[in-house]
Amino acid sequence: DIQMTQSPSSVSASVGDRVTIACRASQGIGNWLAWYQQKPGKAPKLLISASSNLQSGVPSRFSGSGSGTDFTLTISSLQPEDFATYYCQQANSFPWTFGQGTKVEIK
Amino acid sequence: EVQLVETGGALIQPGGSLRLACAVSGFTVGANYMTWVRQAPGKGLEWVSLIYSQGTTFYAGSVRGRFTILRDDPKNTLYLQMNSLRPEDTAIYYCAKGFYYDRSPEGAFHVWGQGTMVTVSS
Repeated sequence: DIQMTQSPSSVSASVGDRVTIACRASQGIGNWLAWYQQKPGKAPKLLISASSNLQSGVPSRFSGSGSGTDFTLTISSLQPEDFATYYCQQANSFPWTFGQGTKVEIK
Repeated sequence: EVQLVETGGALIQPGGSLRLACAVSGFTVGANYMTWVRQAPGKGLEWVSLIYSQGTTFYAGSVRGRFTILRDDPKNTLYLQMNSLRPEDTAIYYCAKGFYYDRSPEGAFHVWGQGTMVTVSS
């Protein structure tokens, strides 16, 4: 199985900060990588598919990049509504797998 | 409006069986790829199973041989049949709809239900 490792596991940041979350795959996955945001008690929300394709309605402060084994989710200017947990997910080969999550907390 | 509503979660004893349902509106289950994802209390997301529109199915190793994903096209409903349940299967179970870009699956899920709780305990 492909292991997805996110770093950091948590990050404390202030409104307006630039936040970068990394996701590393244990083997190459092309660009078969999605990013989700999850708030407490809610279902996940798809932010980005195919490594860098921003979903309709998702603010442009979110961006994704990478291919192969190393990927990044960047929030260019953190907003109050962005405090949440973020997950990466690979869809290159079954079983599909998620990273362990990165919690973005208020500093 | 596109909507997914999961039902069927319950408290069940180890070794028992349960069938979760995901009732869909606003699109056709049989024309899309659909998945089940679970989340144990206080833990991260775990992909469980997927069914493609042509009927091909896939499973996580932790549930293979015990869980079955299936759908009822006339009822426009997705199911997860769970047998031989274990305490470690305790989680919120979400169903979700696969995302297509330019008619090709992108391996991501853009519409989710609210989840249904399964608790396996004696």
